[in-house]
Order: sequence, then C-alpha cells, then structure tokens
Amino acid sequence: QVQLVQSGAEVKKPGASVKVSCKVSGYMFSDYFMHWVRQAPGHGLEWLGRINPNNGVANIAQKFQGRVTMTTDMSSSTAYIELRRLTSDDTAVYFCSPLGYKYPTDVWGQGTTVTVSS
Amino acid sequence: QSALTQPRSVSGSPGQSVTISCTGTSAYIDGYDYVAWYQHHPGKAPKVLIFDFTKRPSGVPARFSGSKSGNTASLTISGLQAEDEADYYCCSHTGSYRVFGGGTKLTVL
Repeated sequence: QVQLVQSGAEVKKPGASVKVSCKVSGYMFSDYFMHWVRQAPGHGLEWLGRINPNNGVANIAQKFQGRVTMTTDMSSSTAYIELRRLTSDDTAVYFCSPLGYKYPTDVWGQGTTVTVSS
Repeated sequence: QSALTQPRSVSGSPGQSVTISCTGTSAYIDGYDYVAWYQHHPGKAPKVLIFDFTKRPSGVPARFSGSKSGNTASLTISGLQAEDEADYYCCSHTGSYRVFGGGTKLTVL
C-alpha cells in the first residue's frame, strides 16, 4: 500500500522558516519525482516545484525561487520542502505527490497546514 | 496570477452536462505537452480525472471527458451527480514545470 505521510501542522511567525517532510512507503522512492503543491485559504492549487530524488535536482516555480529549497533523504525515503522568510500569504495546506496519472504516482500526502501569524 | 484561466464557477442540475474551460497563453497549452484535470473536494487530496488532454486514468468514470481546441482545454462532465460538486483544476505540464489554473467551483443544483 502506497503512503505519503507528511509532518504535522506548523505555526510560524512572519520572517521565520518552515520545513515540511513527506515520507514515502510502498514504492521505490527513487523511481519518481516528488512535487509540492499548496492551497491557501480561499485560493486554488499552486505548484511550488519538484525534485528528482536520484540527484537532488529541483525545479522551483519562478515565484518561489530563492525562498524555497527542496531536498530528499534516500535513506529514509523522505522528501522535504523548506520555505524561508514566511509571510501571512504562505499560510496554506502543503501537499506532496509524484503528481502522476496512475497508481502509485497519483497518490498524495495528507497535507500539512502551515499557519504564519504574529 | 495564473497563466491558465478558468471560469470561477459553473453549475448544473443532476443528469445534465457541464463543460469547464481552461484557456492559456499559447506558451502553456497550444503546442505544449500535456494538460491534466483534477477534482478537489475540500479537506481531501486532489484526484486526477484526465491527463494528456483526453486520457482517463483507470477507475475514472467515462462521464468525465477532456478535449482541446487551440489554446483551450476543456473538461466535460456528463450525467451530473451530487458527488461531483467540487473544485476542478486544469494543470499544464510543460517540460520540468507545472502550472495550475485558478480553479472552477462546480455546484450541482
């Protein structure tokens, strides 16, 4: 059974950083890129970027370049996204997924709520 | 601001058909790789309905269909059911990058 289990909710102050994890089980972690998508309250889905677990090369959406870092730990089959210099606009639910079209690549994590508030 | 434009909302009665459009700049739809459609119920993970403009993943009912014309991709839902009430997003896949449309809220009357 494929599972993407994300870390728990976070509350951060403006200007801080947050790191969200996504642990994969049920498929070979190295087989698929991992994408990160977020949804802010009252807004739509927004693609942040993707990372190749094999070489750590990430493609970050232009809007987030310089502020987002994606990494992976092959030993624990875990992907990470770090977002720096947080503002209230970063308050959102963050999802990980291989963003594919058939099992197991169509599975998503359960989402991690990040709240940025002073 | 999204490069893919969707209507903010559409509605239909049970049994009817609705079509949701996704219009992009030529860089994002016409001549480029793929468009997928996702259904998103609040509090749940999004679910892919259509990929490569017209293909349906295994397990997705045939009443969901996709099409493309020029720089517009479309999702048609036939035989509307109450459980179809959700948000729908198109997503363009261009090389290494993805772009989501702004989303369309479907209301089943």
